[in-house]
Amino acid sequence: GQQVMQIPQYQHVQEGEDFTTYCNSSTTLSNIQWYKQRPGGHPVFLIQLVKSGEVKKQKRLTFQFGEAKKNSSLHITATQTTDVGTYFCAGTSGYSTLTFGKGTMLLVSP
Amino acid sequence: SAVISQKPSRDICQRGTSLTIQCQVDSQVTMMFWYRQQPGQSLTLIATANQGSEATYESGFVIDKFPISRPNLTFSTLTVSNMSPEDSSIYLCSVEEGLRTDTQYFGPGTRLTVL
Repeated sequence: GQQVMQIPQYQHVQEGEDFTTYCNSSTTLSNIQWYKQRPGGHPVFLIQLVKSGEVKKQKRLTFQFGEAKKNSSLHITATQTTDVGTYFCAGTSGYSTLTFGKGTMLLVSP
Repeated sequence: SAVISQKPSRDICQRGTSLTIQCQVDSQVTMMFWYRQQPGQSLTLIATANQGSEATYESGFVIDKFPISRPNLTFSTLTVSNMSPEDSSIYLCSVEEGLRTDTQYFGPGTRLTVL
């Protein structure tokens, strides 16, 4: 079945440093989505990418979808303590259900 | 986006008992989903619940253990039956809505501890 792999599993940065998490799929994806889960909270939808090579920005967050539609990345510029949480990518392929990566836990020290 | 509530928010249960989790949405939605998230882990889909049809279960999950009801377009329940400590987890319902197909919005979750 479809697998979505995400790295790193965990990253600890100092406030102001940049952060990137990477997502790779075993199959070509119809779309890729990113979610953020704060500690003790539930996953919250951030963005969806559909087109090959697509790049979208939300303030300090930049999302990319690879040309082959098998990988994606989320980059945070100048992290803040409010960025703390686990970031999940999730993808669908054809008629498959949404498959989540294992997530990257981000810790930001002030 | 839809507002989703879940009851209970948390519970501590004894081995061998059953717990029914309720999920209520403030608007009508076609697709509802039930996930399990073990501590520090990713989300694992248990089943998809569509109104008017039987739930579709993912590999490793069976109806006898996780019966689901979907009586209307705003409500669903998930029962965790004959519980064991391995069932201790967070159970989340989610819905698809709007024009963003596949995009899901999650309820706050039910934190279950089985002793």
